[in-house]
Amino acid sequence: AQTVTQSQPEMSVQEAETVTLSCTYDTSESDYYLFWYKQPPSRQMILVIRQEAYKQQNATENRFSVNFQKAAKSFSLKISDSQLGDAAMYFCAYRRSYGKLTFGQGTILTVHP
Amino acid sequence: DGGITQSPKYLFRKEGQNVTLSCEQNLNHDAMYWYRQDPGQGLRLIYYSQIVNDFQKGDIAEGYSVSREKKESFPLTVTSAQKNPTAFYLCASSIEGAGAYEQYFGPGTRLTVT
Repeated sequence: AQTVTQSQPEMSVQEAETVTLSCTYDTSESDYYLFWYKQPPSRQMILVIRQEAYKQQNATENRFSVNFQKAAKSFSLKISDSQLGDAAMYFCAYRRSYGKLTFGQGTILTVHP
Repeated sequence: DGGITQSPKYLFRKEGQNVTLSCEQNLNHDAMYWYRQDPGQGLRLIYYSQIVNDFQKGDIAEGYSVSREKKESFPLTVTSAQKNPTAFYLCASSIEGAGAYEQYFGPGTRLTVT
């Protein structure tokens, strides 16, 4: 069974600084997809960024980027120029070619003004 | 506006009663999902459905039941057999198939059983 591990239960960052959230996963598949979701205090889940495993280039979405290391099965999220609105719980998620998502336990990010 | 609706936002029930949580989507998605989230925890999959009239158990299906009679609707019943039903429940939907398809989530239902 696939597992997703987020080893940092909580992280904090100063406004305008950069923070990296870690995620590792376990799979025997070669074709899969990885995601980072954000859950702010409203509890609405929002997709932040996605990565296809067959792509070597790391995905970026504005201030959000990933460091995808396929051999190491690592998928970290970097948030640059952190803003107060980035404060949320962040979930890493894995999906095989078809089917369901497997989520990590989440990392609570606090942004200090 | 396309999206997923869950109702109600807050639900209170007495122990021993079954309760049904509603989930509707107008995104024309084939796949729908139910997750449970406990305080400070990640999301755990209860049931999912990839097509109308078919569904599969997730990781924590015991004490729950679902139906998928229409593409748009995927209600979840929390039965009296569920030992710890108090939780936050999230419904999601997505395109079914190979691809980095995003799951779209509803706003959630907070169920409290006393």
